[in-house]
Amino acid sequence: DAGVIQSPRHEVTEMGQEVTLRCKPISGHDYLFWYRQTMMRGLELLIYFNNNVPIDDSGMPEDRFSAKMPNASFSTLKIQPSEPRDSAVYFCASSLTSPRYGYTFGSGTRLTVV
Amino acid sequence: GIQVEQSPPDLILQEGANSTLRCNFSDSVNNLQWFHQNPWGQLINLFYIPSGTKQNGRLSATTVATERYSLLYISSSQTTDSGVYFCAVVDPNTGNQFYFGTGTSLTVIP
Repeated sequence: DAGVIQSPRHEVTEMGQEVTLRCKPISGHDYLFWYRQTMMRGLELLIYFNNNVPIDDSGMPEDRFSAKMPNASFSTLKIQPSEPRDSAVYFCASSLTSPRYGYTFGSGTRLTVV
Repeated sequence: GIQVEQSPPDLILQEGANSTLRCNFSDSVNNLQWFHQNPWGQLINLFYIPSGTKQNGRLSATTVATERYSLLYISSSQTTDSGVYFCAVVDPNTGNQFYFGTGTSLTVIP
C-alpha cells in the first residue's frame, strides 16, 4: 500500500488566493482526519469524516475553510480566501474503523501564504 | 477537550543513553497512542497503549490509566531517534478524534 497520499507537498500562494489541498486515504480505511500543525498551536484537528460523512468540523477555524470527501478515496481541504496566518503544515490521516488501530499520516502539505 | 501535557519539552542525549518521556492527561481515555515525528516531518505511529505495557525493540511504553499518565522509554538511543515524540489521547465522550500533547523534542548526538 502506498500509504496516505497528500498533494501538493509544498504550496506557496498569495494572500487572497484560493488553495486546495488533496488527500487520498489508505484503501479500506473508513476514517479520515485533517490536522494543522503550527509552532504556536501544535497539532490541531480541523475536521474528520467517517464513511465520507463529516462527523466533527468544530476545529475548522472559520468559514474560509471547507472540506469535502466526495468518495472513499479522495478528500479536499479548501481555503478561500487564504491569509498569511493560514501558513502551516496540513496533515491528512486515515484509520480503520476506530483509531485504536492507529492513524496513518500523510507526508503533509507545507502551505505558505505571502 | 482533554488536556494532554508532555515532559520534558526538550531533551538532548548522547548516543547510547536511555530516556523516559512522560505524558499526563486530564481525564479518562479509551485510547492513547505515541507518535514520532522525524526531522523530515513524517508522523509515525509507535504504540497503541490505553493501558499496560508494550515493547517494540528499543522502545517500550507503559500506561497507568487509573493515574492518568503514560511513559515512553527509549533505550540505547541512536541518532535516528531524534525528532518530536507526541502523545495523543481520545476522549470517549467526544468521539474518535485524537487530542495531541505539545510533544517532547529529542536530539540524540553522536
